[in-house]
Amino acid sequence: AQKITQTQPGMFVQEKEAVTLDCTYDTSDPSYGLFWYKQPSSGEMIFLIYQGSYDQQNATEGRYSLNFQKARKSANLVISASQLGDSAMYFCAMRGENRDDKIIFGKGTRLHILP
Amino acid sequence: SQTIHQWPATLVQPVGSPLSLECTVEGTSNPNLYWYRQAAGRGLQLLFYSVGIGQISSEVPQNLSASRPQDRQFILSSKKLLLSDSGFYLCAWNLYSLAGGLDTQYFGPGTRLTVL
Repeated sequence: AQKITQTQPGMFVQEKEAVTLDCTYDTSDPSYGLFWYKQPSSGEMIFLIYQGSYDQQNATEGRYSLNFQKARKSANLVISASQLGDSAMYFCAMRGENRDDKIIFGKGTRLHILP
Repeated sequence: SQTIHQWPATLVQPVGSPLSLECTVEGTSNPNLYWYRQAAGRGLQLLFYSVGIGQISSEVPQNLSASRPQDRQFILSSKKLLLSDSGFYLCAWNLYSLAGGLDTQYFGPGTRLTVL
């Protein structure tokens, strides 16, 4: 069975510092996809970044990058130069190789950016 | 471009009353559709998903049901709401690229349900 683990329930970071949000996963599928979502207080789920298991390079999207370490089964999200607007709940998620596989989510990490 | 709609945005219902939440997707065909529930301050719980019209998979036994009467319409229902049904309900769909690259799940704006 697939599993996503986010071990940091909450984090406090000073503005402009870099942030690493941890995510580990477990799967027996040979290929899979990993995702990160941001959920601000408004409740909307915002897609941030995607990493395919066979992608050779770590995914990057602006200030977001995914530190993918396949052997360690980790997919940490790195936010560079954090901003006050980055304060939100962050979810790591995973999907198996088949189109009809459902996406499973971790329990989330609440990030607080301090001015 | 693809868009996902949910309504209503907020809902307050008494215990024992029925429920119907609707989700529609524009700009795509044959999407995989999902219903999630999120309790206050908690993670996402997958309730139902559908890979096609009339095809519903239930993840959690409960007093909720789902239906997919049309390709781009997904409905969450209940005949009698419980207090524990309160939460934030999110509909989502998959964008799957056979050519590789982006493959992700997009969410609707959500419905905040309070059962009193």
